[in-house]
Parts: sequence; C-alpha cells; structure tokens
Amino acid sequence: QKEVEQDPGPLSVPEGAIVSLNCTYSNSAFQYFMWYRQYSRKGPELLMYTYSSGNKEDGRFTAQVDKSSKYISLFIRDSQPSDSATYLCAMGSRAGGSYIPTFGRGTSLIVHP
Amino acid sequence: DSGVTQTPKHLITATGQRVTLRCSPRSGDLSVYWYQQSLDQGLQFLIQYYNGEERAKGNILERFSAQQFPDLHSELNLSSLELGDSALYFCASSARGGHISTDTQYFGPGTRLTVL
Repeated sequence: QKEVEQDPGPLSVPEGAIVSLNCTYSNSAFQYFMWYRQYSRKGPELLMYTYSSGNKEDGRFTAQVDKSSKYISLFIRDSQPSDSATYLCAMGSRAGGSYIPTFGRGTSLIVHP
Repeated sequence: DSGVTQTPKHLITATGQRVTLRCSPRSGDLSVYWYQQSLDQGLQFLIQYYNGEERAKGNILERFSAQQFPDLHSELNLSSLELGDSALYFCASSARGGHISTDTQYFGPGTRLTVL
C-alpha cells in the first residue's frame, strides 16, 4: 500500500459544478498537507497548504483535513474550464531539517463548458 | 512562468547511455530539488541541495547523481539508462529549503526523457 492514495480519475464535471478531490494516507507522522495543480506539459504549482485539521478557504478553493481519518479533500466551487488540470495532493513531515513532501499520483479533472 | 528553467525540454536516448539534465533556480533561491514523475509511480522526490550541499535524499537510484554548483544551478546525471527511466524530470527551487508555509517550492517545466 502506498503512503498516499489518490484516485487518478478522470473526473469530468460540467462548468459551475462543485468538485471534490480526495486523498487518503497511512503515515500518522504527516504534519502538513498541500494541493498542487498541474496543467498539461507544465510543472506542478502550489495551490494550498495546511497543517491542521479543519478547513482552509482561498477563493473558490477549500482544503479540508481530517487527521483522525487520515483523509484530505480539496473542494472547488463554481468550477471553470480553466480548472481542467491534474490535482496532486502532497503531505509530509520534517525529516532532518528538510520538508520533503510525499505526493499522491494525481486526479485528472476535466471541466466541460 | 515559475522562474525555474530546465534544459533540455526533451531528450531521447538509448539504453545504457548517460545523460545530464540541467536546472537553473529562481533568482535568489538557494535550494534545488529534483523529482521524477512517471505514470506508474507518480511524482517522487529524488534529492535536494541547499547552497551547494546535499541536504536530503529520496528514492534516487545509485545510477543517478546530482550536484549544485557555486552559481546555484544544478545538474542531474543519469547513467546506464534503462527503459524504466523514461519519465518527466522536474527541478524545483525554494528560497531556503525550509517549511512549505514560508518557503514554497517552485517547479520548472520539466525535461521529458525517453529511453529507447
């Protein structure tokens, strides 16, 4: 079993829908949690990070962490075709002074007009 | 544009060969990270350098090596290449190599390596 599990999709939704992307993890030592967005043929870019259970909101994006269930989610409200991308969850803990995340395999999201 | 540059964009080579991938971090960033992204393994951390010194090591094969030069650019050397080494190789940089909350990693556009 991989440390971080993420459904690869693809997830196809109509424009304006609420999207829910999820990851589960097995390592209880993970302290911080992130979501990256990766457009085709581009490098990942950080969307959001959090290091506590609960919700964190940034515009149309909400990151949710449930440490007791080892489950994190990213919600996208009023989804747009420009949100079509692969979304990678990532998480990690401090190891020897470094903060190196472990990534999920990514979920491909397609928002169609 | 993240400010991180990687060359070449594409590389096609044969099994058993050796290649060098190059990365220039964002201006002022001291830390460089290398990642490998493949369809079956996803994005995996390989190695981190901070101001010329190796700081952290991940799932990097012994056939692979990296270094960071005094001008802070970095090179990833892949030798005795195998078919399974075909992947996207990303470089990322951050200011100090610290916690993500204050030290975001910015990814370059990647080098696509194809081993035939």
